[in-house]
Amino acid sequence: AQSVAQPEDQVNVAEGNPLTVKCTYSVSGNPYLFWYVQYPNRGLQFLLKYITGDNLVKGSYGFEAEFNKSQTSFHLKKPSALVSDSALYFCAVKGDRDDKIIFGKGTRLHILP
Amino acid sequence: GAVVSQHPSWVICKSGTSVKIECRSLDFQATTMFWYRQFPKQSLMLMATSNEGSKATYEQGVEKDKFLINHASLTLSTLTVTSAHPEDSSFYICSARGPLTSYNEQFFGPGTRLTVL
Repeated sequence: AQSVAQPEDQVNVAEGNPLTVKCTYSVSGNPYLFWYVQYPNRGLQFLLKYITGDNLVKGSYGFEAEFNKSQTSFHLKKPSALVSDSALYFCAVKGDRDDKIIFGKGTRLHILP
Repeated sequence: GAVVSQHPSWVICKSGTSVKIECRSLDFQATTMFWYRQFPKQSLMLMATSNEGSKATYEQGVEKDKFLINHASLTLSTLTVTSAHPEDSSFYICSARGPLTSYNEQFFGPGTRLTVL
């Protein structure tokens, strides 16, 4: 069965500092990995995805994520955080043998001015 | 491309009434649509998967007689919450994929907030 773990409920980062939001996964077969962001009372906004190819994936708003097969991780990163990055971030995974995308529990990111 | 809309964006209803939520793919044919439910400060939980023209497949623990899903066309799926109660209050999000989108991706709607009084 596929699963996603986001070990941190909340991450606090000072504005201008680098940020990392952690994600590990478990799937059968090859993984397809996604990051989404959700602002209060809004739907999901797609940030980036890993399907195949380069392990370092660049996405929207300056975010990037690195696929690490040996550690089964797909951590989200940004070199310099903005206050406007404060939101709820979801990691999601789909195995190529599975039909559904499964979401992690979410990590709330607080960027402190 | 690959835009999904939901209507309404929010709805308030009385306990015991039924509420219908629409999910539309605006610029692609959605052969498969997914319905998720999100409780406050929690993750998205998959409720059901619907393929156009066939019955929806519900996840374990989801009452199919309470959450009626219809996917009668390639651009529209509906979720009807029957005899709604306050515990059904939640944020409902749909997603879709089609033959011209990647099988491994889903495109999400903006969500519908349901409040049952």
